[in-house]
Amino acid sequence: EAGVAQSPRYKIIEKRQSVAFWCNPISGHATLYWYQQILGQGPKLLIQFQNNGVVDDSQLPKDRFSAERLKGVDSTLKIQPAKLEDSAVYLCASSRRDRADEKLFFGSGTQLSVL
Amino acid sequence: QKEVEQNSGPLSVPEGAIASLNCTYSDRGSQSFFWYRQYSGKSPELIMSIYSNGDKEDGRFTAQLNKASQYVSLLIRDSQPSDSATYLCAGGRYDKLIFGTGTRLQVFP
Repeated sequence: EAGVAQSPRYKIIEKRQSVAFWCNPISGHATLYWYQQILGQGPKLLIQFQNNGVVDDSQLPKDRFSAERLKGVDSTLKIQPAKLEDSAVYLCASSRRDRADEKLFFGSGTQLSVL
Repeated sequence: QKEVEQNSGPLSVPEGAIASLNCTYSDRGSQSFFWYRQYSGKSPELIMSIYSNGDKEDGRFTAQLNKASQYVSLLIRDSQPSDSATYLCAGGRYDKLIFGTGTRLQVFP
């Protein structure tokens, strides 16, 4: 079974630039999550999709972050404009069911550095 | 603010010893708890889940849950240098899962 695919693996941008991350979940997994993990901290949920609908985006900074999951499969997360404090690893995860307390399968993450 | 708290460590134990990792949570409605292991520069991977009070054993790992005291722990027996990683505790309900900041474990030969 193929795992969660993410790209790019690394990204370096200057502040105020825009950036986009891509995620393809495990086939058949209904729920997709985007997490932000700042160095030394645990993952923080940014947005949770159930198929192609948003379940929870309460911690997504909507003035600069946006995300979509077209056709209920892969997803993109965009930051525009980026700030220094957005430097973090962005993790995509998926799970089979529509419950938050379900085993999560994480992708390898995208390490973002904002200079 | 519902939280999951862990000591950031590092917790240093000699090879072959028992490593004990602890976690407390504030939401009494939390039903499900997980321990994820995260190697440096890698993504988290699930090693244990626990839903009921008591102990759950899987190989060298034992998860313990005490809902009355609102704590979860992970014991690693016969610790190996390859166990050196950050261990993330996560807890929550069907609609919300919160991660702790993680405890860094160092197992030295």
